[in-house]
Amino acid sequence: EAGVTQFPSHSVIEKGQTVTLRCDPISGHDNLYWYRRVMGKEIKFLLHFVKESKQDESGMPNNRFLAERTGGTYSTLKVQPAELEDSGVYFCASSPGTGRINYGYTFGSGTRLTVV
Amino acid sequence: QKEVEQDPGPLSVPEGAIVSLNCTYSNSAFQYFMWYRQYSRKGPELLMYTYSSGNKEDGRFTAQVDKSSKYISLFIRDSQPSDSATYLCAMTLIYNQGGKLIFGQGTELSVKP
Repeated sequence: EAGVTQFPSHSVIEKGQTVTLRCDPISGHDNLYWYRRVMGKEIKFLLHFVKESKQDESGMPNNRFLAERTGGTYSTLKVQPAELEDSGVYFCASSPGTGRINYGYTFGSGTRLTVV
Repeated sequence: QKEVEQDPGPLSVPEGAIVSLNCTYSNSAFQYFMWYRQYSRKGPELLMYTYSSGNKEDGRFTAQVDKSSKYISLFIRDSQPSDSATYLCAMTLIYNQGGKLIFGQGTELSVKP
């Protein structure tokens, strides 16, 4: 089974530019999550999709962040315009739908975003 | 105050040692407790999963949850150099409905040959 795929693995952009991160979840996983780790801090929840719908976006920092999940498959997270404090590692995770035994989310390797 | 507190380390032990990793938390409503292992430049990987209080053992790993003290632990017996990684505790309120995870900061572990 292919894992959760994220790309790019690393992105360096200038303040004010736009960056789009992509996540391909495990096929058949209805739940898709975005998390972020800022240097020196814990991994923090950003938002949760169930299929194509946003279930919980309480962790999104501000309106510069826009997440979409086209047709309930892959997801993108766009940061526009990027600020220095957006630097960090962005993780995507997926899990099977509700009602199924679920022993843990599967995380991707992350996108390391550096805003200079 | 953070919801989940975890000593970031680093923690260095000799091969074969017993390792004890711990987290404390403040929200008594947490029901599901997990330990993730993260190697450098990789995503977190689920190691252990426990519901409510009690112990769970899987090979060299034992997870303990004490809800009365709001304290969880992971023990690694006969530690190996391949166990060198960052260990993250995580917890959630509603697991099978896809609840979001609340993570500790992670403890960096190094096992020396």
